[in-house]
Amino acid sequence: SYVLTQPPSVSVAPGQTARITCGGNNIGRKSVHWYQQKPGQAPILVVYDNGDRPSGIPERFSGSNSGNTATLTISRVEAGDEADYYCQVWDDYSDHVVFGGGTKLTVL
Amino acid sequence: QVQLVESGGNVVQPGTSLRLSCVASGFSFTTHGMHWVRQAPGKGLEWVALISYDGRNKYHADSVKGRFTISRDNAKNTLYLQMISLRSEDTAVYYCAKDNSIGWPHCENWGQGTLVTVSS
Repeated sequence: SYVLTQPPSVSVAPGQTARITCGGNNIGRKSVHWYQQKPGQAPILVVYDNGDRPSGIPERFSGSNSGNTATLTISRVEAGDEADYYCQVWDDYSDHVVFGGGTKLTVL
Repeated sequence: QVQLVESGGNVVQPGTSLRLSCVASGFSFTTHGMHWVRQAPGKGLEWVALISYDGRNKYHADSVKGRFTISRDNAKNTLYLQMISLRSEDTAVYYCAKDNSIGWPHCENWGQGTLVTVSS
C-alpha cells in the first residue's frame, strides 16, 4: 500500500516560515491535500490539489509538489497556526485514501 | 453552510455491532461522495471508507473490510457506517466528511465526530 511520510514535529518562531514535508514514492504524480487540526477540533482542509486554497484560508498557506516530496508552506507564522497538519492522497492502485502520519507544528 | 452531524457513538463490548449516522445539510447531498475517517485517542487520522454520490461505488480500508459497511440514504440526506465484530482497536472518534467530488477524492468539509469506545 502507498505510504506517506511526515516529520513528527516542526518548530518555528512567529513571523517566520514553516515548511512541512510529505514524502511518498513519485508523489509528484499525485494530487496532494493538506488538513489542519487543532486540539479538540475536527480537521479542516487548508490546501487541496497540491496548491489551491479553499475559501477562507489565508494566502499565507501554500503548497507545492514535485518528485518524491510535497510541501505545505506557512508564511508569516502566527500563534494560531499551532496545530497538527496531515497530508493526504488518493492511491489509485488500491482505491484507498491515504493520510500521512501528521506533523505537530509548534510556534515558539 | 455545510453541516455534517454524526451520531450513534457509544461504549460497546468487543464483538458487538454499532451503526453510526451522519445527517448532512447545506449542500446537494445527492451529488457528493462521502467519507468516514477515524482518529484513535492521541493518534493520527485514518481513512475508513468512501461511498460515491449514488451509492453504487464503495471503498473500505483494509483494516475494516468485511466488518464495516458504508451506505447512504439520499432521500434522508444521511450517511451510515454499519460496524460489526468490533475490536478494541476500533476505539476512535469517527468523522464523516463531504468529498469535493471534482478531481481526486479529498475531504472538503468535516463533521464534529462521534466517539466509539470498544471495551469490556
